[in-house]
Amino acid sequence: QTVVTQEPSFSVSPGGTVTLTCGLSSGSVSTSYYPSWYQQTPGQAPRTLIYNTNTRSSGVPDRFSGSILGNKAALTITGAQADDESDYYCVLYMGSGIWVFGGGTKLTVL
Amino acid sequence: QVQLQESGPGLVKPSGTLSLTCAVSGGSISSSNWWSWVRQPPGKGLEWIGEIYHSGSTNYNPSLKSRVAISVDKSKNQFSLNLSSVTAADTAVYYCARESDVKYYFDYWGQGTLVTVSS
Repeated sequence: QTVVTQEPSFSVSPGGTVTLTCGLSSGSVSTSYYPSWYQQTPGQAPRTLIYNTNTRSSGVPDRFSGSILGNKAALTITGAQADDESDYYCVLYMGSGIWVFGGGTKLTVL
Repeated sequence: QVQLQESGPGLVKPSGTLSLTCAVSGGSISSSNWWSWVRQPPGKGLEWIGEIYHSGSTNYNPSLKSRVAISVDKSKNQFSLNLSSVTAADTAVYYCARESDVKYYFDYWGQGTLVTVSS
């Protein structure tokens, strides 16, 4: 059973920079997993932020960026704002039509 | 602009079957996209359930495969989810989503619908 790992929670100061990661319980995340990132606020559907590792979805501010850092996918928020306080989910495409979501990271901006 | 709208009973009895439909507007379900169901138990994370192509081809989460069936109705431009033998653990907000035909990601989401499993 493949497990996609994310930090359960993270905190960042307004204006600060934070990097959230998305790993695998066994192995390394590469671009071949097409990592994508989603932002979700309470009661709302997920919003697509980043796809194909580092491509920003339409309308997403450029303070959000995606990359591969070491053996994990990463979402970096540069110049965090109060309304970035949300849950963030990554999802990996495992091939053969199978997707696996990470457990999500609750980001606090304070 | 593609829009997805989930519908179905908000309450299902234990051991029963959960049935939901996702209506697609602003686009065709027969386009070059796969269509997925994703769920989120209260206070927990997202879980991918399965996907379907307009041809009827499906892929399912291995952990749910024995209980899940996803179907498509091209005449109504919609697709459906059936989850059998439900328990309280299946209580969740259920989302339908479209997978981009260009890269591997979910580009459109429905607003979600809460389904509670309770007697």
